[in-house]
Amino acid sequence: SYVLTQPLSVSVSPGQTASITCSGDKLGQKFASWYQQKPGQSPVLVIFRDNSRPSGIPERFSGSTSGNTATLTISGIQPMDEADYYCQARDSLTVVFGGGTKLTVL
Amino acid sequence: EVQLVESGGGLVQPGRSLRLSCAASGFNFDDYAMHWVRQAPGKGLEWVSGISWDSGTTVYADSVKGRFTISRDNTNYSLYLQMNSLTTEDTALYYCVKDRTDWIGPFESWGQGILVTVSS
Repeated sequence: SYVLTQPLSVSVSPGQTASITCSGDKLGQKFASWYQQKPGQSPVLVIFRDNSRPSGIPERFSGSTSGNTATLTISGIQPMDEADYYCQARDSLTVVFGGGTKLTVL
Repeated sequence: EVQLVESGGGLVQPGRSLRLSCAASGFNFDDYAMHWVRQAPGKGLEWVSGISWDSGTTVYADSVKGRFTISRDNTNYSLYLQMNSLTTEDTALYYCVKDRTDWIGPFESWGQGILVTVSS
């Protein structure tokens, strides 16, 4: 079965840039999405089709894909960005999520 | 405004069945695929099942295939998940999710989730 691998945690200071990676076989040939989940809340789509932002998502959030890795980049980190982030991709007729990355704002 | 409201969860014994429902509003329900995603306590997200806009295609995660059945009623803007032969591994918060497309695409909107606890 298809597997997406994310780092367990990423830490960054306010105002800096955070990058969260997601690796999977031939991920660059699929479309990756990213979700933000804060404690006690439902996930929110922040990036789809590798690098598109839904309406209402700040420009600080961006995505990119290269080879087998998709990357979510959050610039100008704010305390409100502290959350779990999940990547997601479609593999044939199934949907796969990465294990999630806990972003800590120091 | 998109609203997805799940119901039907609760405590159930192993081996028994449960049916989840999701009431949708705020969008043209029959234009979009729908999914169920679950999250075990303290764990990550797991996609469970998806259904195309017209119910023509249904897909399942290997972990639930043969036990769970997804369905929808476009007239009543409702999504369902029939869960049979439940095990303790099925204990999770179950989210009703609206796709961004009419088939498998980004998961655009999520309900608040409904808790299913499988325990004797």
